[in-house]
Amino acid sequence: DIQLTQSPSFLSASVGDRVTITCRASQGISSYLAWYQQKPGKAPKLLIYVASTLQSGVPSRFSGSGSGTEFTLTISSLQPEDFATYYCQQLNSYPHTFGQGTKLEIK
Amino acid sequence: QVQLVESGGGVVQPGRSLRLSCAASGFTFSSYGMYWVRQAPGKGLEWVAVIWHDGSSKYYVGSVKGRFTISRDNSQNTLYLQMNSLRAEDTAVYYCARVIGTSVVDYGTDVWGQGTTVIVSS
Repeated sequence: DIQLTQSPSFLSASVGDRVTITCRASQGISSYLAWYQQKPGKAPKLLIYVASTLQSGVPSRFSGSGSGTEFTLTISSLQPEDFATYYCQQLNSYPHTFGQGTKLEIK
Repeated sequence: QVQLVESGGGVVQPGRSLRLSCAASGFTFSSYGMYWVRQAPGKGLEWVAVIWHDGSSKYYVGSVKGRFTISRDNSQNTLYLQMNSLRAEDTAVYYCARVIGTSVVDYGTDVWGQGTTVIVSS
């Protein structure tokens, strides 16, 4: 199975900051990576798919990049509603594993 | 509107069975692959299983192979997860989710249900 490792696991930042979360795959997954946002008690929300395509309705401050084994999710200017947990997921091969998550907290 | 609604969760003893359902509405259910994803209390997301739009292929995470069965009834717009030989480590919120992508590759899941809670405990 492909393992995904996110870094950092916890991130403290302020409104207006630019933040970057990294997701590393244990083997190459081309561009078959998605990013999700999850708030407490809620289902995940798709942000980015095929590494860099913004899901409809997602603000343009979110962006994704990468291919192969290293990927990043960037939020260009944090807004109060962005404080949540973020997960990457690989869709290159089954099982479609998730990363362990990155919890983004308010500083 | 596009919606997924899970049901069937509850408290069950180890070794027993439970069947989860996911009712879809607002879209052509038979055109989409579907996932089950679970989340143990305080933990991250775990992909459990996928079924293709026509039910022709199914894949599972290793920890549930041989115990869980994903299925669908496209005439009833409903997805199922039959869970047998349940263990304490199966305790989680179970989500169904709609897959987006092409006929050969998944891109992600764009619609999720609200989740149903399964607690395996004696």
